[in-house]
Parts: sequence; C-alpha cells; structure tokens
Amino acid sequence: QSALTQPPSASGSPGQSVTISCTGTSSNVGRYNFVSWYQQHPGKAPKLMIYEVSKRPSGVPDRFSGSKSGNTASLTVSGLQAEDEADYYCSSYAGTNNLGVFGTGTKVTVL
Amino acid sequence: QLQLQESGPGLVKSSETLSLTCTVSGGSISSSSYYWGWIRQSPGKGLEWIGSIYFSGSIYYNPSLKSRVTISADMSKNHFSLKLSSVTAADTAVYYCARQDIVEMVYATDYWGQGTLVTVSS
Repeated sequence: QSALTQPPSASGSPGQSVTISCTGTSSNVGRYNFVSWYQQHPGKAPKLMIYEVSKRPSGVPDRFSGSKSGNTASLTVSGLQAEDEADYYCSSYAGTNNLGVFGTGTKVTVL
Repeated sequence: QLQLQESGPGLVKSSETLSLTCTVSGGSISSSSYYWGWIRQSPGKGLEWIGSIYFSGSIYYNPSLKSRVTISADMSKNHFSLKLSSVTAADTAVYYCARQDIVEMVYATDYWGQGTLVTVSS
C-alpha cells in the first residue's frame, strides 16, 4: 500500500493553531478508526501523540487533538509552543497485511 | 518502565543479510496484549512498517518487503529479531523496534527503541 499523504510542511506563531491532514483510502483511514499520530524530534524516536483517531495517551497535552472525516484524518495543535516544532507522522491500521501504513510526514515550524 | 534496545551490525555489505535483535526489558514479549515489530526510516525520509510478531507465533509482514524479511522471537530471552536478505543501498535506514498495543490503544505504537542506523555498503 502507498503511504498516506501529508503536507510537507506547516507553520504557525506561538499561541496559534496548526492543523495537519493525513489522506488515505477506503482501505485504511476510511475503513478503520485506528489512526494514530506521532511526533518526532531530530535524532529521536517517534512519540505517540494520538491513538484511535482522537484519544490522547497519558501525559500528552490536551493542546493536541485528532479527528477524521472519510478518508482524511487530521491533527490539530492548539496554542503552539516552541517545543512543538518537530516532524509529525500519521499512521493507520490497514488490515493484517499492513498493521501500520505511515504518512509521508509533516514538518511543523513554530515561527 | 518498558525499554527496547536494538543491537546488531551498523554496516552490512550489499546483497548480504541484515540481522538485528531487539531486547525487551521491563515487560514480556509473551504478553497477549501487544505485537512486537520493526519499523525503519531512511535518511531524511518517512517511516515504514516492516513487520510484527505476536506471542502466539503469528507474524505479519509488509507486502512490499515480505519476500526478503524474516521476523522471529525467543520468548526465553525476551527478545525478537529481524533478518532482511539481499540488501541494497535502499535498505540503508534507522531501524526501530517497537511495541504495538492491541488492547488499550489499539494498533498504536506506544513504545519505541532508540533506533539503530544500518548502512549498506557496496
């Protein structure tokens, strides 16, 4: 399966909001409510930020929120902070032949 | 606290087999609540799921790599391994081992190793 499509970059000033889209197909994002989002700082392993479309793991600030409509999932970061500057990847379950197809990644810049 | 640690050669010759092991501490790979898998990231590129193994012995592979990948586990040593055969420069990447939850945070990868860079040389 092809990677999920994300915009290469997004940016916002501190305190503003940024929304990242993640477009898949009816075989992955559109079919299952198992979309997760990961934050990756340079040289570090990814960190889980959102799971099952809109749920936050313990310890993740409520500034991070997720949603889904049809074949497109979205991650919104509200009240941008300097430490939010990172790469963000979405991922979707796509059946037992593909436990996790990832997105192309979006670099978020805090201006 | 769960920890995953990748180990293996950082340099592999083209056409040979890449072999990595992930040692898990602070938790058991025999748990029925998780898949244990491998994910890679080519330099400057995105993430790619390679495959995962379940305590029952079920193994799932990315179709695009299936012909070259073997994942296995040693429950007694609490580690699992990756073998990728016939490597080329395109297989140069940071390889992560990771845990995927299938109960609480379904199909989310909640723990990752630090990653290990494997370079394929000609």
